[in-house]
Amino acid sequence: EVQLVESGGGLVQPGRSMKLSCAASGFTFSNYGMAWVRQAPTKGLEWVATISYDGSSTYYRDSVKGRFTISRDNAKSTLYLQMNSLRSEDTATYYCTRVLRRAFDYWGQGVMVTVSS
Amino acid sequence: DIQMTQSPASLSASLGETVTIECLASEDIYSNLAWYQQKPGKSPQLLIYYANSLNDGVPSRFSGSGSGTQYSLKINSLQSEDVSIYFCQQNYDSPYTFGAGTKLELK
Repeated sequence: EVQLVESGGGLVQPGRSMKLSCAASGFTFSNYGMAWVRQAPTKGLEWVATISYDGSSTYYRDSVKGRFTISRDNAKSTLYLQMNSLRSEDTATYYCTRVLRRAFDYWGQGVMVTVSS
Repeated sequence: DIQMTQSPASLSASLGETVTIECLASEDIYSNLAWYQQKPGKSPQLLIYYANSLNDGVPSRFSGSGSGTQYSLKINSLQSEDVSIYFCQQNYDSPYTFGAGTKLELK
């Protein structure tokens, strides 16, 4: 059974940093691209970043480019999102997702990130 | 950025009814469109990819169609467990944008 389990969220002050992790199991992690998608409270979904199966390619939405870094450790089957210079508009539930046929076919349960002083 | 306009924003239907949700892209996305279902308090789940391909385990009452800029999701014989918010998403070009969602309720 495919499982994606996020961790590392919480309350953080504006301008500070936070690192999210996503532990994957139930599939060969190194064969799949992965992505982070976020959802602000009572809002819609917003794609954040994608990383290729081997980590050689990364893609970001403009609003996080230069502040967020997506990475992966295939030996540990873990996906990461390093978030720096956090802003109030980054407040959201962050979902770890697997990429298949260009869509997000499995999602984690989500981790809440609240940016507030 | 490619804009995804979803309609209606909300929809009320009876059990057994057929419902259709529409998604309009601001430019041709060449069938690179996915549909997701998000039940209250849960993570989204993939229903349809490449506009009309049913994801594994998704009931056959769900179907997708469309091409170019216009796409739709049809739910035949509405069941109580279909009460959800439905999102379309284009995965043709970065940033991969979602529609605002359609909230489906039972009448």
